[in-house]
Amino acid sequence: KQEVTQIPAALSVPEGENLVLNCSFTDSAIYNLQWFRQDPGKGLTSLLLIQSSQREQTSGRLNASLDKSSGRSTLYIAASQPGDSATYLCAVSRDDNNDMRFGAGTRLTVKP
Amino acid sequence: NAGVTQTPKFRVLKTGQSMTLLCAQDMNHEYMYWYRQDPGMGLRLIHYSVGEGTTAKGEVPDGYNVSRLKKQNFLLGLESAAPSQTSVYFCASSYSLLARQETQYFGPGTRLLVL
Repeated sequence: KQEVTQIPAALSVPEGENLVLNCSFTDSAIYNLQWFRQDPGKGLTSLLLIQSSQREQTSGRLNASLDKSSGRSTLYIAASQPGDSATYLCAVSRDDNNDMRFGAGTRLTVKP
Repeated sequence: NAGVTQTPKFRVLKTGQSMTLLCAQDMNHEYMYWYRQDPGMGLRLIHYSVGEGTTAKGEVPDGYNVSRLKKQNFLLGLESAAPSQTSVYFCASSYSLLARQETQYFGPGTRLLVL
C-alpha cells in the first residue's frame, strides 16, 4: 500500500527566505506526482505535476523535483512571500488505477 | 464558468440521519471524484466516476453511496451517518483518467459534523 509522508508538518519562515518542502512515498511504481496548494477553508489548486519520467518541473518561483528511485520529491519556493502562506500537499498516482494518494500536507506560514 | 461547486457548505447531522452532498461541474469533465479530508491524514478517495452512469469504489467507500445520473453532477450519499464520518468532503473533476497528465479541479469543500 502506498504511503505518502510530508515533513515538516508545519513551517514558519520570514519573508524573502528560500525554502524546501519534502514529500516521500513508499512505492516507487508511480505514474506521476503532483503538488497542490490549499488555502484555509478552500479546495486544492494544482501547482505542479511531474510525470514519472521527468526529474523536475518549474513554474515561476516554484520548482518541484522527483527522485522516483528513492521515493522523494521536493518543492522549492524561492523568495517566499506572505501570500505563499497555505498548506502544501503532495499526491502520487499509479498507472493501473484511479487512486491518488495524498500526504497530510505541510502548513507554511511566511511572516512579513 | 463556476468550475466545481458543492452543496451544502456546512451541515450538522445526528447519528443515523441521512443526507446527500451534491457536486456540480460546468467544464464538461468526464471524471469526477469524492474525497474526504481528516486532520493529519491528507485526502482519501471515497468513490469516483469515469462517466455518466458509472461509479467505482476508492480507498474508503464503506458507509457511502454515489450516483452519476448526469454528466455534470456527482452525488455522495450517507444513508446512516456515524460520528466517524465527521470530515471535510471535497469533490473534484478532470478531463481524463486520473493517472494521465491532467490535473483535477477541486470544489471548495463541505464540512460535515455528525453528533
